[in-house]
Amino acid sequence: DGGITQSPKYLFRKEGQNVTLSCEQNLNHDAMYWYRQDPGQGLRLIYYSQIVNDFQKGDIAEGYSVSREKKESFPLTVTSAQKNPTAFYLCASSITGTGFYEQYFGPGTRLTVT
Amino acid sequence: KNEVEQSPQNLTAQEGEFITINCSYSVGISALHWLQQHPGGGIVSLFMLSSGKKKHGRLIATINIQEKHSSLHITASHPRDSAVYICAVPSTRDGGGSNYKLTFGKGTLLTVNP
Repeated sequence: DGGITQSPKYLFRKEGQNVTLSCEQNLNHDAMYWYRQDPGQGLRLIYYSQIVNDFQKGDIAEGYSVSREKKESFPLTVTSAQKNPTAFYLCASSITGTGFYEQYFGPGTRLTVT
Repeated sequence: KNEVEQSPQNLTAQEGEFITINCSYSVGISALHWLQQHPGGGIVSLFMLSSGKKKHGRLIATINIQEKHSSLHITASHPRDSAVYICAVPSTRDGGGSNYKLTFGKGTLLTVNP
């Protein structure tokens, strides 16, 4: 089945540690996105990538890093510089072009940092 | 940048009731996205629409581009419809390279009681 997978579903880390969240898609989409969701707030864009080996900062990129070495994969690293990393993280993908295209979401990873 | 307002924030209904969720945005757009987030966190796309009305089963979405407003209706609501409903629009008017950047509403939490 085509879709987006994120692992793990729950992740616990100690403060000061970097942590990498996985996102894989087999939809053959060129564009991939990382969002952060906090209680009572809308999803906020962290990073997005329109093509392999290229990515752009979103609205809240500070304290995060990404790579896009393969079309299928877009891992997100939450670094120790991120002041408030505990949140629900969602990965998404879409086709690219000049229009407005539907984004498909993964199941999310809930990160807790203590 | 586009601003998105959803109302109501919370909605409780009895099974069988007709539900309406509203979404208003500030900048003219090419299309709007309605999403459903299940209690477990996963997000699924319900509709993408740029004009008029779309229907899928018991769900109906309408949009009025001139008034910058969209509504999501659920007919004959059922407890399994309980979820958070989110609308999303392009962050800028023409999109350009920013068709990939969406602004999300904070969501409407719908609870349907049996």
